[in-house]
Amino acid sequence: DQQVKQNSPSLSVQEGRISILNCDYTNSMFDYFLWYKKYPAEGPTFLISISSIKDKNEDGRFTVFLNKSAKHLSLHIVPSQPGDSAVYFCAASRGPGTYKYIFGTGTRLKVLA
Amino acid sequence: NAGVTQTPKFQVLKTGQSMTLQCAQDMNHNSMYWYRQDPGMGLRLIYYSASEGTTDKGEVPNGYNVSRLNKREFSLRLESAAPSQTSVYFCASSRQGSYEQYFGPGTRLTVT
Repeated sequence: DQQVKQNSPSLSVQEGRISILNCDYTNSMFDYFLWYKKYPAEGPTFLISISSIKDKNEDGRFTVFLNKSAKHLSLHIVPSQPGDSAVYFCAASRGPGTYKYIFGTGTRLKVLA
Repeated sequence: NAGVTQTPKFQVLKTGQSMTLQCAQDMNHNSMYWYRQDPGMGLRLIYYSASEGTTDKGEVPNGYNVSRLNKREFSLRLESAAPSQTSVYFCASSRQGSYEQYFGPGTRLTVT
């Protein structure tokens, strides 16, 4: 049972436009969500996170939105740049004491120059 | 400051062979993790260590053992490798109380 789902395996966006990556979850006990970015042959790197008590968190070009009623979060990248081309994973946690993170399957973003 | 390092980068094993994947971090983090990444499956937690001296199972622990040798090092052992263990393995670490994990570059393991 996949508790964290990224239903779009890939996404292509023109440089300068907005990229929207989506993530759905099923477990209402998740209270913290993270996005990681992964380049080929490298480990994932942390991008941005959001607590379940918030509905938006912004860091530069990256904004994460959380809709708890829909159990849905999204990552917006504005404007998209060719260097953003990577695989993006969302992950969910039930709290810092649990140490167990559930990752989605990833979305491959390609930003076209 | 190297962050999280993993050895080896690549490994090919025959079915039934054993090996240990090594992981070390120099960020003085308390928690360490082992994940595997398979196509279409995302990253799945194998084992984690909340602090030195403790280890616990994740989602997919069968066929693996771990050792938290000290605060810096967390190793993953395959006692009898199987083709189903062909995967990319990532080690990660995090500060106590922090959600953010720092990942190593990965070990690509093939079991024939």
